[in-house]
Amino acid sequence: QKEVEQDPGPLSVPEGAIVSLNCTYSNSAFQYFMWYRQYSRKGPELLMYTYSSGNKEDGRFTAQVDKSSKYISLFIRDSQPSDSATYLCAMSANSGNTPLVFGKGTRLSVIA
Amino acid sequence: GAVVSQHPSWVICKSGTSVKIECRSLDFQATTMFWYRQFPKQSLMLMATSNEGSKATYEQGVEKDKFLINHASLTLSTLTVTSAHPEDSSFYICSAISLLGGTQYFGPGTRLLVL
Repeated sequence: QKEVEQDPGPLSVPEGAIVSLNCTYSNSAFQYFMWYRQYSRKGPELLMYTYSSGNKEDGRFTAQVDKSSKYISLFIRDSQPSDSATYLCAMSANSGNTPLVFGKGTRLSVIA
Repeated sequence: GAVVSQHPSWVICKSGTSVKIECRSLDFQATTMFWYRQFPKQSLMLMATSNEGSKATYEQGVEKDKFLINHASLTLSTLTVTSAHPEDSSFYICSAISLLGGTQYFGPGTRLLVL
């Protein structure tokens, strides 16, 4: 079993839909959870950063972490064509100088 | 947010040549930078951890003599792909963590094509 599992998609939704992206993980030591957005041929851009369990909201984006289930989610409300990208979950056990473990990424297309 | 730059953004070279890629943190100081490689439709794979003033730590399976990393200052790390071969063609991305802590900020990536 890989440390971080993420469905690669592709996921195609109509504009305005609510998008749910998910990752599961096996390492119970992970405490820091991130979602990155990566456009084609570009570096990843940090979207959300969460510590431990709970919810965090930023505009149209909501990140949820359920450590008991080892499951994290990213919700995108009122999805826009500009949200079309690959979304990568990432996590680590420690903050600071610790490498991140990434999921494979989910390709999302929002159709106008 | 914090800005990390990479240079060049893309490079095409002949097999056997060496290529140097620079990673700079533009508005913050970073004691640690990471180098990743990403193949098409794949996730980011960590290659090495670069600490300012000390030797880089390489992940298993990454040849340290082939991928030379130098972290000479708090704002600059370089990755040199020595004697590049076509199988080294990939998207190389660096990231940096601020001295103040927090998460990693990624550069825009460097696309390497070895002919």
